[in-house]
Amino acid sequence: KNEVEQSPQNLTAQEGEFITINCSYSVGISALHWLQQHPGGGIVSLFMLSSGKKKHGRLIATINIQEKHSSLHITASHPRDSAVYICAGMDSNYQLIWGAGTKLIIKP
Amino acid sequence: EAQVTQNPRYLITVTGKKLTVTCSQNMNHEYMSWYRQDPGLGLRQIYYSMNVEVTDKGDVPEGYKVSRKEKRNFPLILESPSPNQTSLYFCASSFGPWSPQHFGDGTRLSIL
Repeated sequence: KNEVEQSPQNLTAQEGEFITINCSYSVGISALHWLQQHPGGGIVSLFMLSSGKKKHGRLIATINIQEKHSSLHITASHPRDSAVYICAGMDSNYQLIWGAGTKLIIKP
Repeated sequence: EAQVTQNPRYLITVTGKKLTVTCSQNMNHEYMSWYRQDPGLGLRQIYYSMNVEVTDKGDVPEGYKVSRKEKRNFPLILESPSPNQTSLYFCASSFGPWSPQHFGDGTRLSIL
């Protein structure tokens, strides 16, 4: 069964720090979503990527197909970045397989 | 405004009483999906639909039904709800499973 694993499970950092969240996946996943879930519960799609790197503001997502690994980076982190970050891999049947999420807390 | 609308947002009901959670999107998306989120288990897909009249089971379809008679609507039906279906439910839509998904605000169901 395809699996998607995230690390770390929890991350606390100081404002301004560079943040990295990792996502590893098994064979058969062709693309990867990164999503953000706010403390209030709302979910926002951040990136969808199958190769290379994407950037949006202070957020950067990379994927290495050969190593079956993706990372989400946040530069100049801010308390408003505090959220749960979730990665999800898409398998060959177009079904999404979800990681358990990384809870990020940025302290002022 | 582009959005995915779920109703109700909150519902407390009793075992066995049929209920429907509606989901509607105004973005002409073909792909729609239902998820449940439980503490420690993350998001799990219940059902998804690639287009009108096309639905497929996700990871946890037992106890749920869906229909896709129109492109914009994708209701989730619990014919005989049980306490283990107490959860936070999300509907999502996109142009395809390879596209970024738009999520509804969530529906918190409590089955007593």
